[in-house]
Parts: sequence; structure tokens; C-alpha cells
Amino acid sequence: GAVVSQHPSRVICKSGTSVKIECRSLDFQATTMFWYRQFPKQSLMLMATSNEGSKATYEQGVEKDKFLINHASLTLSTLTVTSAHPEDSSFYICSARDRGHTEAFFGQGTRLTVV
Amino acid sequence: DQQVKQNSPSLSVQEGRISILNCDYTNSMFDYFLWYKKYPAEGPTFLISISSIKDKNEDGRFTVFLNKSAKHLSLHIVPSQPGDSAVYFCAARRSGNTPLVFGKGTRLSVIA
Repeated sequence: GAVVSQHPSRVICKSGTSVKIECRSLDFQATTMFWYRQFPKQSLMLMATSNEGSKATYEQGVEKDKFLINHASLTLSTLTVTSAHPEDSSFYICSARDRGHTEAFFGQGTRLTVV
Repeated sequence: DQQVKQNSPSLSVQEGRISILNCDYTNSMFDYFLWYKKYPAEGPTFLISISSIKDKNEDGRFTVFLNKSAKHLSLHIVPSQPGDSAVYFCAARRSGNTPLVFGKGTRLSVIA
């Protein structure tokens, strides 16, 4: 299957700081990328959908000013958690899909811990 | 409102036997159904999918069955192997450029 690389895999930051997570499609052009968040023993909850070159569409309850998403190219999307708080600690996962595939391919995920 | 439901949080199966993971959905607009396997602290890995126009899709040890009238699908793994132990997520989406909606997952333990 296609490869999606997510970086970093683990990050610890102080409250009030910002953290950027990168998601890259390595061997295909990702026309659409999705960002999910997973709480312990819960499902993956969609945060936002981004299409290359346009603004992201956020799900209800997700603060767009807090979770900044940029999808500037067909192979890269970034999620920036701004002014992080301990309740933002979670597992964030990106996925990418191109027009030729039914399935989406996932990155390895990022474990964010805000202290 | 949970559109994709996996009612069994866990399942234990003997090595060599069949594992059956179940999934129900409520949205009749879903066109594609997928199963993902996930290990802790990793992203989900795609396993197998099925289109709503089919009722069965097979890939090696994995078979997915879809019953549209019951809004139910299942993943069969046979024979089960210890390496299959993971959390399995059922996912669905509508046609077009739409996101996946996930169930809560079922933790499969295959006992040697």
C-alpha cells in the first residue's frame, strides 16, 4: 500500500507553546488529507478535512484557531496545535487519499503530551 | 450519534480457529466499508474493503461480508494467528471525497 509518513511520533511540550505535526505522502499525491484524534480506548475522531490549496473543513466542536491545518502541496499537510494545554494531550493521526483509491492510508500517529 | 458501531470491545480466539469481528452501521448512504488493523501507538493499517454493490470480498485469510439490508458487516480471519492480535476498526464512508467514519474498535487476542 501507499506510504504516509507522520512526524514527530512523540512530542512533549509545555503548556502555552505550539506544536507542529507533519504528514507526508511519500509515493502518491494526496489530494485530500484527514486529521484524526484518538483518546484512550476510543475511536478515531475526525478533526478536519483538508484539500490541497484550499482551507480545511473542521468538524463541529473543533476549534480552527487552535488546530491550524495547512495543506500547501499534494504531498504535505501540517497540523499545528497552538497554545497547547494538558487537555490537548492525545494521539493525533493523519491519513491521506488520492483520487485513485477507495481506502485512505494512515501515518504512524503522534503522541502529544502537554505538561 | 454513532454511525458505525462495533459492539464487542474485545474477542479472544484460539490460534488456528476463525475470528469473526462484527460491525453495524446506521447511515444508508455509506458506499464503502473498510477494515483497519491497529497496534498501540501506531496508525491504522488498511486490511480489506468492500463496496456496497458487493456482499463478499476475500483476500487471503481475510474475508469481509456485507449485509446491506441488515446494515451489518463482518470480518472473518481464518486461520487466526498470534500476529493477528491487534485492535480492528471498522470504517465506512459515502461516495465522493468523504472522510472515513470509524467504529470504536475490537481488540482481538489470538491465543497460541
